Amino acid sequence: GESVGLHLPTLSVQEGDNSIINCAYSNSASDYFIWYKQESGKGPQFIIDIRSNMDKRQGQRVTVLLNKTVKHLSLQIAATQPGDSAVYFCAENIAGNTPLVFGKGTRLSVIA
Amino acid sequence: ETGVTQTPRHLVMGMTNKKSLKCEQHLGHNAMYWYKQSAKKPLELMFVYSLEERVENNSVPSRFSPECPNSSHLFLHLHTLQPEDSALYLCASSQEPDREMNGYTFGSGTRLTVV
Repeated sequence: GESVGLHLPTLSVQEGDNSIINCAYSNSASDYFIWYKQESGKGPQFIIDIRSNMDKRQGQRVTVLLNKTVKHLSLQIAATQPGDSAVYFCAENIAGNTPLVFGKGTRLSVIA
Repeated sequence: ETGVTQTPRHLVMGMTNKKSLKCEQHLGHNAMYWYKQSAKKPLELMFVYSLEERVENNSVPSRFSPECPNSSHLFLHLHTLQPEDSALYLCASSQEPDREMNGYTFGSGTRLTVV
């Protein structure tokens, strides 16, 4: 498959374990955050989002945590599966009509 | 299929060639974007079109020329590229100002190799 972001930090987890992917965002005025998943040969796909008035949001097998005090966002994946192997990006919406700002990404490798 | 379609999926071109990348969105969005994704600098914003007007041009070399004939279509015209322009070119769309409805939707990208 195609490689995306050869120099990204990598997280390796055993199948069935929980994964935690972290992101430090840049602007304290950011009001909306999104996690994207990018599989090999595909574009980034929306996973889950959270507004700044929340500190936790849960989806199916995924949870996003927001800590505005330290400008930190995390994505937790429960019972990680081989299909979760991908590059994960956080994105922040700073305000108004400015484009989303994307983080550098983390590569998740699931060991079967 | 995300609702954003990019063609071609793969493109190999010489430095003297002229080619175009095409993006089409079927989501009724009013803003479209071109991103460049390479190993050294993931997800660099290149151009933004909102309501068919270019609202941002991130200091992109003139050998890249965008075109947005209508709110559903976006092109990136390429000419006299350099080998360092080899990358994955991603198109995205969004509904502005209601972006807090799942952010951007991306296409699968065009893998460009300049030889």
